[in-house]
Amino acid sequence: LAKTTQPISMDSYEGQEVNITCSHNNIATNDYITWYQQFPSQGPRFIIQGYKTKVTNEVASLFIPADRKSSTLSLPRVSLSDTAVYYCLVGDKNQGGKLIFGQGTELSVKP
Amino acid sequence: DAGVIQSPRHEVTEMGQEVTLRCKPISGHNSLFWYRQTMMRGLELLIYFNNNVPIDDSGMPEDRFSAKMPNASFSTLKIQPSEPRDSAVYFCASSIPGTGLFGGPGYTFGSGTRLTVV
Repeated sequence: LAKTTQPISMDSYEGQEVNITCSHNNIATNDYITWYQQFPSQGPRFIIQGYKTKVTNEVASLFIPADRKSSTLSLPRVSLSDTAVYYCLVGDKNQGGKLIFGQGTELSVKP
Repeated sequence: DAGVIQSPRHEVTEMGQEVTLRCKPISGHNSLFWYRQTMMRGLELLIYFNNNVPIDDSGMPEDRFSAKMPNASFSTLKIQPSEPRDSAVYFCASSIPGTGLFGGPGYTFGSGTRLTVV
């Protein structure tokens, strides 16, 4: 399973764009990149998933360069309610549901 | 859709007692996962089931832990006897069949059970 590295914490202010980068140097050909968000006292919640280039949904964008050794989660115009821990996961759909969570990035949004 | 339902939300028990955590997956999901979260170790996958059958229990810490899924709508995680180091938040998750087993929008977590063993 590909190991991921992401910053432990980040600070931002309301209305700013936040970019969280995740390194996954040993990503395999069949691996997908998935990001989850976790609020205090809640289970993780799926944000976005991608394989290459760019993926965008109503919540975030995911940028993946051609070599796929890293990915960047972009949150546009964050609000206080975006304060949470964000996890980057990399793995194969055939690995049987083993989501391996790293330490995540604790994002703190200030007013 | 009520989501993944876990009970109880909080459990405080004394060391040595048996603890049973419960999970009701989303109807139609055929995979169920038990996770444990602590400050020291983060989120760890303990065990998961496909079609009510345990597939991988390599994450179960020791024999004191056991999990069952008697039917498609119910699963339990039991700790007997419990120890203070078992204190953690335990999450249950379920996923939609056929959407791939590596997370995704169909992979849904419950709100967790916060277990405190004193």
